[in-house]
Amino acid sequence: EVQLVESGGGLVQPGGSLRLSCAASGFTFSSYWMSWVRQAPGKGLEWVANIKQDGSEKYYVDSVKGRFTISRDNAKNSLYLQMNSLRAEDTAVYYCARGYWFDPWGQGTLVTVSS
Amino acid sequence: QLVLTQSPSASASLGASVKLTCTLSSGHSSYAIAWHQQQPEKGPRYLMKLNSDGSHSKGDGIPDRFSGSSSGAERYLTISSLQSEDEADYYCQTWGTGILVFGGGTKLTVL
Repeated sequence: EVQLVESGGGLVQPGGSLRLSCAASGFTFSSYWMSWVRQAPGKGLEWVANIKQDGSEKYYVDSVKGRFTISRDNAKNSLYLQMNSLRAEDTAVYYCARGYWFDPWGQGTLVTVSS
Repeated sequence: QLVLTQSPSASASLGASVKLTCTLSSGHSSYAIAWHQQQPEKGPRYLMKLNSDGSHSKGDGIPDRFSGSSSGAERYLTISSLQSEDEADYYCQTWGTGILVFGGGTKLTVL
């Protein structure tokens, strides 16, 4: 069974940092682009970042450029999102998802940025 | 600019059919999209990838009641024999060079 499990969310103060992880299983992780998508409370889905199979290409939504870094470890079947200089508007559930078409999604991890 | 446009809301009666629309921005009518469902208080679920010619590939376990079709820049999701659990938000999504894009979502109410 293909599975994605996120972890690392929590409460952090504005300006703080957090590292999210996504553990993949049930498929050849190294064969897929991977993405992070977020959903602020009561809002729609917003793509955050994605990374090529070998990590050689990375793309970000403008609002997180320079603050967030996506990475992966194919040996550990894991995807990461390092989030620095966090702002209140980064508060959201963060999902990892496989491929260009987000099939499947993880269950999400909640990040709350508040003092 | 790659943009996907969806109506904010739709409604239909239990047992009826409903057709949701996702419109691609000008110049992008050949793009494939994906449809995703998000039931209340749950994470999103991939429904299908839908090509410009109307061919589609559904995710594992997606019922036959869900189907897709295309016309020009429009991409459709049709749900037949509506059930209460179909009440959800539906998002379309596509990708271009270096970006991925979501529509604003359609909230479907089953009456």
